[in-house]
Amino acid sequence: GESVGLHLPTLSVQEGDNSIINCAYSNSASDYFIWYKQESGKGPQFIIDIRSNMDKRQGQRVTVLLNKTVKHLSLQIAATQPGDSAVYFCAEDNNGPGNQFYFGTGTSLTVIP
Amino acid sequence: EAGVAQSPRYKIIEKRQSVAFWCNPISGHATLYWYQQILGQGPKLLIQFQNNGVVDDSQLPKDRFSAERLKGVDSTLKIQPAKLEDSAVYLCASSLATQGEAFFGQGTRLTVV
Repeated sequence: GESVGLHLPTLSVQEGDNSIINCAYSNSASDYFIWYKQESGKGPQFIIDIRSNMDKRQGQRVTVLLNKTVKHLSLQIAATQPGDSAVYFCAEDNNGPGNQFYFGTGTSLTVIP
Repeated sequence: EAGVAQSPRYKIIEKRQSVAFWCNPISGHATLYWYQQILGQGPKLLIQFQNNGVVDDSQLPKDRFSAERLKGVDSTLKIQPAKLEDSAVYLCASSLATQGEAFFGQGTRLTVV
């Protein structure tokens, strides 16, 4: 099966600083990626997505960068707030017949007030 | 818009017992997913439905797990008999089409003792 992994399992940042969460994927055929945020006791919540024909996409305070050459994704959160504390997952669409999403292990982000 | 509904929220059973989880997806969403999330890991896809047909169940342990979506709306996931290693959060998600973001429910936390 596909392997989607994260470089750092935990990340602590000061409130107001920028956060960068990285993700490596292994399936070069994957054409769609989503970043999810999961707070304790809740299901994953969509943050931002990107298709393989793009290398950057911006949302509100978040930016996703895609480097297909090295099969790497990153999520940048600007001016990190305490409410951003959660586990962040990247999910890879394997571009199969049913478009299943494969999730990485996740990075736990802690924002220090 | 109502989200994905799951019940129960929590369930504790003894090993070798059976258990069932219920999911009601977002209205109009043709695609429904069941994921298993073991503590400290990312969600793992168990089964994907498109309307009432199975798209992918390659990672479903079919000797003990079963799922159905008879009318193409609600779905149930059953485990019989349960093992200790089945302790996890079972997440249901739905999407409008086979490609696009999946919306997750809050999950059912299963503890097998």
